[in-house]
Amino acid sequence: ETGVTQSPTHLIKTRGQQVTLRCSSQSGHNTVSWYQQALGQGPQFIFQYYREEENGRGNFPPRFSGLQFPNYSSELNVNALELDDSALYLCASSRSGGTGEQFFGPGTRLTVL
Amino acid sequence: AQSVTQLDSQVPVFEEAPVELRCNYSSSVSVYLFWYVQYPNQGLQLLLKYLSGSTLVESINGFEAEFNKSQTSFHLRKPSVHISDTAEYFCAVTRTGGGNKLTFGTGTQLKVEL
Repeated sequence: ETGVTQSPTHLIKTRGQQVTLRCSSQSGHNTVSWYQQALGQGPQFIFQYYREEENGRGNFPPRFSGLQFPNYSSELNVNALELDDSALYLCASSRSGGTGEQFFGPGTRLTVL
Repeated sequence: AQSVTQLDSQVPVFEEAPVELRCNYSSSVSVYLFWYVQYPNQGLQLLLKYLSGSTLVESINGFEAEFNKSQTSFHLRKPSVHISDTAEYFCAVTRTGGGNKLTFGTGTQLKVEL
């Protein structure tokens, strides 16, 4: 069983740029959730994708957007990067209608200068 | 909506001593509860979960947590910690019946000292 993978591992961008982060879900999982974890904080829910559509969103502005593909992999896009976007971005996969248990990838560390 | 409070940001403890990491939650609906562990520069790993049934749940590495509905708590305990248990521990909650959005606490840094 393949676990959740994310790419890239680290990324450095400058303010105002755009970034795309990628996630491959665990085998058999059809739902992907994205979280932002700022330094010293707990993860914050950004949004969730199911059947290639957004299925719930946290308190994040529209410049955070995403996609889910037919193979259930997903992308997180962030436009007009701000310094406060510097964080660890975590992807988690799960089965719809399941117990809420999510399996996390190793994360992408984004630094905005 | 749900919320989670982890009362201790840091817990230092000597090796082989017992430890308790506290977690309280708030929710108007029934919930599932989780503890995740995060080692430095890594993602989150599920430590244990409460879904239903027995209120005491255990992990394979000696941790246990007890769901207390009346006190809305899900404290994590281990009778004897090891240096390798040093990590950040997050309590999380999601409503039952779907949705799968996890709400996390701010984390507790467990530091095990020799």
